[in-house]
Amino acid sequence: EVQLVESGGGVVQPGGSLRLSCAASGFTFDDYAMHWVRQAPGKGLEWVSLISGDGGSTYYADSVKGRFTISRDNSKNSLYLQMNSLRTEDTALYYCAKGMSSSWLDYFDYWGQGTLVTVSS
Amino acid sequence: EIVLTQSPGTLSLSPGERATLSCRASQSVSSSYLAWYQQKPGQAPRLLIYGASSRATGIPDRFSGSGSGTDFTLTISRLEPEDFAVYYCQQYGSSHTFGQGTKLEIK
Repeated sequence: EVQLVESGGGVVQPGGSLRLSCAASGFTFDDYAMHWVRQAPGKGLEWVSLISGDGGSTYYADSVKGRFTISRDNSKNSLYLQMNSLRTEDTALYYCAKGMSSSWLDYFDYWGQGTLVTVSS
Repeated sequence: EIVLTQSPGTLSLSPGERATLSCRASQSVSSSYLAWYQQKPGQAPRLLIYGASSRATGIPDRFSGSGSGTDFTLTISRLEPEDFAVYYCQQYGSSHTFGQGTKLEIK
């Protein structure tokens, strides 16, 4: 059974940093691209970032480019999102999602339950 | 960036009725790389449809997807009580973008 479990969310002041983690199980982790998707309270879904299976390629939404860094440790079946220079508009539930294949252009077949990030002074 | 516009914003129907949800793209979605997700309150999104018309594993056949180019449709043939939720379309042919969602509520 595929499982994705996010952690690391919390309350942080504007300008601060936070590192999210996603522990994956139930599939061959390094065969698949992985994504972060966020959802602001009461709002829709926004794709944030993706990383290829080998970690060699990364992509970001314009809204987070230069502030967020996605990474993965395939030996630990884990995905990460380092978030710096946080803004109030980054407040959201952050989901880890599994790509259907190794391609960066694919849909998401499994999602975690999310971890909440609140940016507030 | 491809912008997806979903309509209507809210759809009020009764169980047993047919639901038709629309997703329109600002430019053509390559290779029909269009997916639909269902999200219930307090839950993560669940994949329903990929490739515009292929049902994901375990999805009932009352859910169907159609369309190509810039116009896509999700149809639920006969609504069950558990189908009332928010539905999102997503294109994955040019980076990734989501529509703003359609809320399907009980009339």
